[in-house]
Amino acid sequence: SFELTQPPSVSVSPGQTASITCSGDKLGDKYACWYQQKPGQSPVLVIYQNNKRPSRVPERFSASSSGNTATLTISGTQAMDEADYYCQAWDSSTVVFGGGTKLTVL
Amino acid sequence: EVQLVDSGGGLVQPGGSLRLSCAASGFTFSSYWMHWVRQAPGKGLVWVSRINSDGSNTIYADSVKGRFTISRDNAKNTVYLQMNSLRAEDTAVYYCARDYCTDGSCYFDSWGQGTLVTVSS
Repeated sequence: SFELTQPPSVSVSPGQTASITCSGDKLGDKYACWYQQKPGQSPVLVIYQNNKRPSRVPERFSASSSGNTATLTISGTQAMDEADYYCQAWDSSTVVFGGGTKLTVL
Repeated sequence: EVQLVDSGGGLVQPGGSLRLSCAASGFTFSSYWMHWVRQAPGKGLVWVSRINSDGSNTIYADSVKGRFTISRDNAKNTVYLQMNSLRAEDTAVYYCARDYCTDGSCYFDSWGQGTLVTVSS
C-alpha cells in the first residue's frame, strides 16, 4: 500500500530555514499538500497542489515536489511556526497522510 | 465563512456504537465531497472515510471497513459517521473535513474542531 514517510522531528533556530521532507513511491506523479497543526487545534492547510499557498498563509511557506520526495520549506522561521506538519496525497480513491513532523523552533 | 462543527463523541464501551455528526454552514454543502479523519492521542492524522456529494459513493480505510458507515443529509447540511463494534484502538479525536478540488488537485481546505471518542470499559 502507498505510504508517506516524514522525519519525526526537525529543529531550527529562529530566522533560519526549516525543511521537512515527505517521501513516497513516485510521489512526484501525484499532488502533495501540507497541513500545520498546533497543539489542541485542528489541522490547517498551508500548501496545496505541490507548491501553492492559500492566501492567508505567509509567503515564508513554500514547497516543491519531484521524484519520490516532496519538501516543505519555511524561510525565516518564527516561533509561531512551531507545530506538527503533515504531508498528504491521494492514492487511487483513498487519502494518505505522512506520519507527521514536529518542528521545534529553538 | 465556511464552518464545520463536529459533535457526538463520548465514552463508549468496547463493542458499542456511536454516531458522529458534522454540521456544515457557509457554503453549498451538497456540492462537496466530505471526509472523516481521526487522530489517536499523541499520534498522527489517519484518514477514515469519504462520501461523494450526493451520498451515492463511499469509501473506507481498511481499519474501519465493515464497522463504520459514512452518510450525509444534504437537506440538513450534515455528514455522519456511524461507528459500530468499537474497539480500544478507535479511541481518537475525529475530524470532518471538506474536500476542495482545483485543477485536478484535491485537498482538505476546511476542518471541524474535532470530537473525542473514547472506547474503554
